[in-house]
Amino acid sequence: GQSLEQPSEVTAVEGAIVQINCTYQTSGFYGLSWYQQHDGGAPTFLSYNALDGLEETGRFSSFLSRSDSYGYLLLQELQMKDSASYFCAVSDDKIIFGKGTRLHILP
Amino acid sequence: NAGVTQTPKFRVLKTGQSMTLLCAQDMNHEYMYWYRQDPGMGLRLIHYSVGEGTTAKGEVPDGYNVSRLKKQNFLLGLESAAPSQTSVYFCASSYRDSVEAFFGQGTRLTVV
Repeated sequence: GQSLEQPSEVTAVEGAIVQINCTYQTSGFYGLSWYQQHDGGAPTFLSYNALDGLEETGRFSSFLSRSDSYGYLLLQELQMKDSASYFCAVSDDKIIFGKGTRLHILP
Repeated sequence: NAGVTQTPKFRVLKTGQSMTLLCAQDMNHEYMYWYRQDPGMGLRLIHYSVGEGTTAKGEVPDGYNVSRLKKQNFLLGLESAAPSQTSVYFCASSYRDSVEAFFGQGTRLTVV
């Protein structure tokens, strides 16, 4: 089966940088992805890593180490609108999500 | 382009009643998924399908059935609803390899 671990909550200051970590155990693995969900909304895709290394998309970056079964999402220049829950997810023939990290941003 | 559409958006059921949630996607995606979301539990996979006519169990399949008779539709059925099935249900779809999933707007179901 699959299991994912990520912190339940993280707090950061507007304009700062925050890193959300994710460790996983899985029997099959294509890649690690990240999703954002605002309160009352649906999850939306942020990034995907199939290979080791860093993927950058604007203010967001995602990292994967397959040998360590570890990844992280890095959010730079935090804005109040980034206050949301962030989920890591592992993919094989299905997508399994972690329990999510709620990001609180202080002004 | 509507993406992924779920019907209905809200529903209240009495214990023991049955219902079907409909998910429709217009992106020609092969893979479709049903998740439930409860506070503090993240998104848990109920059932999924890797193509028309196929279904498979996810993490929490008990009490639910699914069908994928047409590629664009994925139905989730509750034969005898229980209060433990009170949740927000999300449908999603993706191309092969499950790289990026597109979600519907969710169905808020309450079983009393």
